[in-house]
Amino acid sequence: DSGVTQTPKHLITATGQRVTLRCSPRSGDLSVYWYQQSLDQGLQFLIQYYNGEERAKGNILERFSAQQFPDLHSELNLSSLELGDSALYFCASSPRFGRPSSYEQYFGPGTRLTVT
Amino acid sequence: AQTVTQSQPEMSVQEAETVTLSCTYDTSESNYYLFWYKQPPSRQMILVIRQEAYKQQNATENRFSVNFQKAAKSFSLKISDSQLGDTAMYFCASNYGGATNKLIFGTGTLLAVQP
Repeated sequence: DSGVTQTPKHLITATGQRVTLRCSPRSGDLSVYWYQQSLDQGLQFLIQYYNGEERAKGNILERFSAQQFPDLHSELNLSSLELGDSALYFCASSPRFGRPSSYEQYFGPGTRLTVT
Repeated sequence: AQTVTQSQPEMSVQEAETVTLSCTYDTSESNYYLFWYKQPPSRQMILVIRQEAYKQQNATENRFSVNFQKAAKSFSLKISDSQLGDTAMYFCASNYGGATNKLIFGTGTLLAVQP
């Protein structure tokens, strides 16, 4: 158990719908990262938040958005869903910068999204 | 572009034997970190081992060790005394430093440990 929690574990929805994935980082970690794992694209970085602020963006679609709340949990919002958005979405967390091992990321169990 | 390449899509090893998974990377950065992650059938991503690029000594974690060749930009994972529980997809990844810490992953190597 990495200490990172994600809900829900599975999500099945229809095209055109909107869903929200939730992530709670390990206790004390300030950074939250979102990754998408799909068969055709592999593991891709989507977005990073650090202590409530967006730090970096990767291959995140405009239909997707995220935020990190004052209690440090994060939500990834996916809208106007398409069949190709079906994937495993991971959240990861890491300690505050300057701490030992701040470069290490610990992953949650993932949310499997199926768009039908 | 910064890339991580795993050229072995699948590998097989007998239980108790040793296997080496290959990884190469490309970067112009001087400060970076390299990782191996394991993804068993449960799909959980588990950090296996990490290597700081500025350290010459190869990292070791129990039965797992790396061969880090900085000049060749090579980072292979050696698994000794392979166990059935080692059966998984293994991903090589790099954090190229800076403020983002984002990970760039290779395409993975599916390792099957045979009894």
